[in-house]
Amino acid sequence: ILNVEQSPQSLHVQEGDSTNFTCSFPSSNFYALHWYRWETAKSPEALFVMTLNGDEKKKGRISATLNTKEGYSYLYIKGSQPEDSATYLCAFLPYGQNFVFGPGTRLSVLP
Amino acid sequence: SQTIHQWPATLVQPVGSPLSLECTVEGTSNPNLYWYRQAAGRGLQLLFYSVGIGQISSEVPQNLSASRPQDRQFILSSKKLLLSDSGFYLCAWSENLQVNEQFFGPGTRLTVL
Repeated sequence: ILNVEQSPQSLHVQEGDSTNFTCSFPSSNFYALHWYRWETAKSPEALFVMTLNGDEKKKGRISATLNTKEGYSYLYIKGSQPEDSATYLCAFLPYGQNFVFGPGTRLSVLP
Repeated sequence: SQTIHQWPATLVQPVGSPLSLECTVEGTSNPNLYWYRQAAGRGLQLLFYSVGIGQISSEVPQNLSASRPQDRQFILSSKKLLLSDSGFYLCAWSENLQVNEQFFGPGTRLTVL
């Protein structure tokens, strides 16, 4: 059974703070990594699809990096806003297999 | 544009009763389709995956089954529900390459009493 971990489990930050969290996955047989944002009462929405070691993706104030050799990805949020409050999920896709989701990091941004 | 529908939104069923959850996708052809479950306090667990009509892959042994009678229709079923089947069920689709991002439906909250 593949293990995908995310840390921290939850965090609270003040509006304007920058924050980051981690997704750890097996370093062998890597094919892709996805990041999703899941807001309360909504469906998960894709943020990034990452496939190459060293990938850096950016969407507005949110960015992500990928290290497939050591098996981790970081998600960064710059200048957090209350609307960033959500659970952030990573999903690891090994070659020839199906997605394994991490448990998520629950972010609360306090105004 | 593509849309994905799930129904019902919420469901309360007694133990031992049957289950049928439906998911349909509009605006795309031959999508990959997925059923996920989020049990209380846990992450998303992939239950079933389909690349085409009648083609179902099961990820975990369980009390549930899935069917894809039409290209854009995915059904999750059970003949007899267990208490442990309670959870939040999400359907998702992606373009035909598995690496592509997934688009999720609104989900069904199932409570088995």
